Amino acid sequence: ETGVTQTPRHLVMGMTNKKSLKCEQHLGHNAMYWYKQSAKKPLELMFVYNFKEQTENNSVPSRFSPECPNSSHLFLHLHTLQPEDSALYLCASSQDLGWSIQQYFGPGTRLTVT
Amino acid sequence: DAKTTQPPSMDCAEGRAANLPCNHSTISGNEYVYWYRQIHSQGPQYIIHGLKNNETNEMASLIITEDRKSSTLILPHATLRDTAVYYCIVRDQGGSEKLVFGKGTKLTVNP
Repeated sequence: ETGVTQTPRHLVMGMTNKKSLKCEQHLGHNAMYWYKQSAKKPLELMFVYNFKEQTENNSVPSRFSPECPNSSHLFLHLHTLQPEDSALYLCASSQDLGWSIQQYFGPGTRLTVT
Repeated sequence: DAKTTQPPSMDCAEGRAANLPCNHSTISGNEYVYWYRQIHSQGPQYIIHGLKNNETNEMASLIITEDRKSSTLILPHATLRDTAVYYCIVRDQGGSEKLVFGKGTKLTVNP
């Protein structure tokens, strides 16, 4: 247990569906991150939030919409996804951006787009 | 530009020590060496980090050469559950620079 939880753990959705991924951290951290990991590829950073404010959008398509209502919760809203969006989506947190080197990761959501 | 070089894969017998090398010849004076691992289909897990001195914790030991151009992560008694991809990352401890995971070393622990 890393103190970072993600739900659901597995999700299958059609290309016309709308779904949301949820991440919660119980570590009192201020920075939260979304990563994407496709098969046999390195982790790709998607979004960074610090004190609820988005500080980085790594050229992510608009069909992925993040939301950070407070420092403990992070959502990734999904709509009209493509099959190539199928991947493991990982959430992470760190004390703050200044300590982004030491991140704590959740178990991930395995997303399949059909 | 990749700051670290790791072998793509290694094998180790269960119960033996696993020694994972990492080259970081361009490391600067204020950059730390961090190790993470990722067990299949799980999130990466922090293992250990160091600057100059050798470090040890409950998971592993980190040996950094005197010139700091390379390091070795040691799992003293590897178990089957240590099978994972191990990532060596070099970066400043502070700052908001992205945490970049390369391809890492796939360690397979065999029974």
